[in-house]
Amino acid sequence: EVQLVQSGAEVKKPGESLKISCKGSGYSFTSYWIGWVRQMPGKGLEWMGIIYPGDSDTRYSPSFQGQVTISADKSISTAYLQWSSLKASDTAMYYCVRSWPGGYYFDYWGQGTLVTVSS
Amino acid sequence: QSALTQPASVSGSPGQSITISCTGTSSDVGGYNYVSWYQQHPGKAPKLMIYDVSNRPSGVSNRFSGSKSGNTASLTISGLQAEDEADYYCSSYTSSSTSRVFGGGTKLTVL
Repeated sequence: EVQLVQSGAEVKKPGESLKISCKGSGYSFTSYWIGWVRQMPGKGLEWMGIIYPGDSDTRYSPSFQGQVTISADKSISTAYLQWSSLKASDTAMYYCVRSWPGGYYFDYWGQGTLVTVSS
Repeated sequence: QSALTQPASVSGSPGQSITISCTGTSSDVGGYNYVSWYQQHPGKAPKLMIYDVSNRPSGVSNRFSGSKSGNTASLTISGLQAEDEADYYCSSYTSSSTSRVFGGGTKLTVL
């Protein structure tokens, strides 16, 4: 069974750093793209970026380029989303998603990680 | 990068059919057959309902169907059921640097 299991909720202060994770199982982790999607409170879905764990090829939405870092450790089938200095506006639910190499849809979603940034 | 345009809300009675539109440009919806649709119930992760314009993943009810005409894609739900009440999002490949884009979402209310 394909699963994407994300790390737990986080409460941080502005200016702090954070790295959340997404562990894939039940499939060949290096053969599919893993992306990240933001959903701010009460708002819609926003595309952040994507990584191909097989060769670490990474693409970012221009809206998030320079604001976050996407990485992956294929040895433990885990992708990451990282911030170096959080802002209150980063408060949101973050989902990791799987995407087939030849497609542009997201067939599996993680359960989401809620990040709250507040002083 | 502008989101794809969806109506904020639609509604229908049980048993009826409804259609949700998703309007983009020739750089996304109109230029490629890579439109997908997602259903999100409150407090839950989204779920893939339609991919590549009109294909249903295994396990998705055949009451859900997708189509496209020009720069507008559509999701049709027939035989509405109470469990269909949710938010629906479209997504498309885009030739812009972002590569993927979502619609703003549509809240479906089953009356």
